[in-house]
Amino acid sequence: QQQVKQSPQSLIVQKGGIPIINCAYENTAFDYFPWYQQFPGKGPALLIAIRPDVSEKKEGRFTISFNKSAKQFSLHIMDSQPGDSATYFCAASGNTGTASKLTFGTGTRLQVTL
Amino acid sequence: KAGVTQTPRYLIKTRGQQVTLSCSPISGHRSVSWYQQTPGQGLQFLFEYFSETQRNKGNFPGRFSGRQFSNSRSEMNVSTLELGDSALYLCASSLAGGGATDTQYFGPGTRLTVL
Repeated sequence: QQQVKQSPQSLIVQKGGIPIINCAYENTAFDYFPWYQQFPGKGPALLIAIRPDVSEKKEGRFTISFNKSAKQFSLHIMDSQPGDSATYFCAASGNTGTASKLTFGTGTRLQVTL
Repeated sequence: KAGVTQTPRYLIKTRGQQVTLSCSPISGHRSVSWYQQTPGQGLQFLFEYFSETQRNKGNFPGRFSGRQFSNSRSEMNVSTLELGDSALYLCASSLAGGGATDTQYFGPGTRLTVL
């Protein structure tokens, strides 16, 4: 049972554009929502994370928007660069008992062209 | 501080064999989690060890097992390998086991190919 749905599957934007990746979750026990970036041949690296008590969080060029009532969250990459070309995964985890168990979305392959 | 290390990086096995993968967490991290990554199923949680005890388990058959040593290093074992076990196996470590204040740091993974 897929508990975190991610879209789109792939995305191509021009340099300077603002790619947006969306995720939706089902489990209301989730209370931690990180985004990971993965380059070929590497493990996922944490980009930014949010808790449901805030609606937006910014770190550098990366912004998470969170809508608790709709059970949706999204990643925006401002002023995207070719170096941002990677696969992005949203994830979610629950309360203390299962906090280590990250449930991942299916990933979005982003290509930023010149 | 050194990151999460995984050995070996690549493995080729045949069906029916067993395999052991190793993970060394970041110094001071006590939680180690394992994930399987495949093109079809994406990233799936296998299990988590904390202080040498399995604390969480995903929906994988009993052929997948693990353990953690007193120095927090962890091993994962897969017995009676099947073709479908071909995947990238990722290890992640954190201070105490994830959540809002506890980032999971991933290693580069072990690429297992089953022939």
